[in-house]
Amino acid sequence: ETGVTQSPTHLIKTRGQQVTLRCSSQSGHNTVSWYQQALGQGPQFIFQYYREEENGRGNFPPRFSGLQFPNYSSELNVNALELDDSALYLCASSYPGDGYTFGSGTRLTVV
Amino acid sequence: SQQGEEDPQALSIQEGENATMNCSYKTSINNLQWYRQNSGRGLVHLILIRSNEREKHSGRLRVTLDTSKKSSSLLITASRAADTASYFCATDVTGGYQKVTFGTGTKLQVIP
Repeated sequence: ETGVTQSPTHLIKTRGQQVTLRCSSQSGHNTVSWYQQALGQGPQFIFQYYREEENGRGNFPPRFSGLQFPNYSSELNVNALELDDSALYLCASSYPGDGYTFGSGTRLTVV
Repeated sequence: SQQGEEDPQALSIQEGENATMNCSYKTSINNLQWYRQNSGRGLVHLILIRSNEREKHSGRLRVTLDTSKKSSSLLITASRAADTASYFCATDVTGGYQKVTFGTGTKLQVIP
């Protein structure tokens, strides 16, 4: 049974650029959720994908978008990066009704 | 916005003591989950308690749920230095898709 893998682990981008973060799901999980965690805060829900469809979205602007692939891996794309987008981005896979398995996160710094 | 709030925000105890963290939430839930996070890395799922359960145990962890008070507690018995971490409660909210919303966290320090 494999866990959830996120890449890259760290990333530095310039304001206005675009970034793509990647996440693999744990075997048997068909749901992927993305969270943004600012320093000292709890994770904030960005969106969730279930069987390749966006299944729900938090209070994030449209420049945050995502994809889920047939193998249930996922991408988070952020366009027009802003300084406030600097955070730890967490991906979690799950089976509906069960707990989440998180990856180790991607630390994004926007300068 | 945060659905849950943990209390206290920070807790410092001696190794061997018990640690209790509380969580309050606002709306009806399917289940409530507790997670641990070390040094700003990924969260580790500790325990899930469903809305029709009142108490659950896992090793040194005991979780209680009171849906009438919309609150939960996590007890770690015989704490160890390795338990030093941030602990978050997360609620799976009733209705629609599975949306798990995290609280603000309790920072636990266990002093050897």
